[in-house]
Amino acid sequence: TQLLEQSPQFLSIQEGENLTVYCNSSSVFSSLQWYRQEPGEGPVLLVTVVTGGEVKKLKRLTFQFGDARKDSSLHITAAQPGDTGLYLCAGARKTSYDKVIFGPGTSLSVIP
Amino acid sequence: GAGVSQSPSNKVTEKGKDVELRCDPISGHTALYWYRQSLGQGLEFLIYFQGNSAPDKSGLPSDRFSAERTGGSVSTLTIQRTQQEDSAVYLCASSLGYRAGEKLFFGSGTQLSVL
Repeated sequence: TQLLEQSPQFLSIQEGENLTVYCNSSSVFSSLQWYRQEPGEGPVLLVTVVTGGEVKKLKRLTFQFGDARKDSSLHITAAQPGDTGLYLCAGARKTSYDKVIFGPGTSLSVIP
Repeated sequence: GAGVSQSPSNKVTEKGKDVELRCDPISGHTALYWYRQSLGQGLEFLIYFQGNSAPDKSGLPSDRFSAERTGGSVSTLTIQRTQQEDSAVYLCASSLGYRAGEKLFFGSGTQLSVL
């Protein structure tokens, strides 16, 4: 049983389109993170959100943490081919000394 | 070193053999994590270390898997009597501390293939 679910599993869009990917759980998390992974590499952190309702922007990427701290979304505006990769959400339930678990990922392909 | 280093980068072994995977975390990082990733899938938590101790071993798939960390630095993941289903990329990550939301720095992984 996955503690963190992600949707969609796969997404293929044209360059310039907008998209949103979701990360959901029935559990409350003290923090949620989004990572992006490219083939043959380890994941790289994009953002960390810790406050319910928090919104963070990173250039064309907008991240939101749900009010109840059980879900998060990642919105990409005007997707570029360089955005292609596996997007992973990750969370820790305790505020410290806790393992970090990952969702199954959303594989994004942006076609030029 | 500048980042998390894992070795070997690729390992091909025969079913039934033992393998050791090594992780050198970033100097000064006190937390260390091991994950397993099958092709195109998310990361499956295996084990994490606070210093040299592992408070949560629940992610290890079977008793053929073990891990240790010495001197609060290098960690080794050992798989005994490997099986074909052990084939995956094994990723190691480290973080500076133990607060939730600490940034995890990942190595490039070890691709394990069991024939």
